[in-house]
Amino acid sequence: QKEVEQNSGPLSVPEGAIASLNCTYSDRVSQSFFWYRQYSGKSPELIMSIYSNGDKEDGRFTAQLNKASQYVSLLIRDSQPSDSATYLCAVNVPDSSYKLIFGSGTRLLVRP
Amino acid sequence: NAGVTQTPKFQVLKTGQSMTLQCAQDMNHNSMYWYRQDPGMGLRLIYYSASEGTTDKGEVPNGYNVSRLNKREFSLRLESAAPSQTSVYFCASSGQGGSGRYTQYFGPGTRLTVL
Repeated sequence: QKEVEQNSGPLSVPEGAIASLNCTYSDRVSQSFFWYRQYSGKSPELIMSIYSNGDKEDGRFTAQLNKASQYVSLLIRDSQPSDSATYLCAVNVPDSSYKLIFGSGTRLLVRP
Repeated sequence: NAGVTQTPKFQVLKTGQSMTLQCAQDMNHNSMYWYRQDPGMGLRLIYYSASEGTTDKGEVPNGYNVSRLNKREFSLRLESAAPSQTSVYFCASSGQGGSGRYTQYFGPGTRLTVL
């Protein structure tokens, strides 16, 4: 069983819409959660981290964490074509504060 | 401040050849990592070094060796390359931030093809 699950997509949204990306994880004791953006042919770039239940906002991005349901999501408001990329969810390995497990990523396409 | 750098950017090897991928970070991070990324597979951890002087196997260590040369540098060696090692290799580093949590930052990657 994969420990961090993401829908591979592609998720297609029109420009200006809200894109909602979801991630579920298997281990209840995970404490740190990250969203990375990866453009085609480039390296992952950290866009959000979240550690507590609830919402965390940074500009057009909002990360949401629900530890009881073991999911973390990323909302992108006012989506732009430049947001088209693969979004990777990462969760810390329960017995290690510095190792991460990555999901396979969700590909987002923002249509002009 | 270059962050995490990797060399080379591209490499083509023949089966059985050896090579070393180099990685350096200038963020004074204690921990460094090597991942491979294959289509549809996400990032898989090959080896990591929690701190200078230590290295440990990750999820897919077979066919690789690593050296933590000093706090800044962490190299990955393929002793006898195989076509199954064709992949994109990313180096990352992490340090304990103000929140006490570790956040990983990635280098630009090395695209390796083994013929």
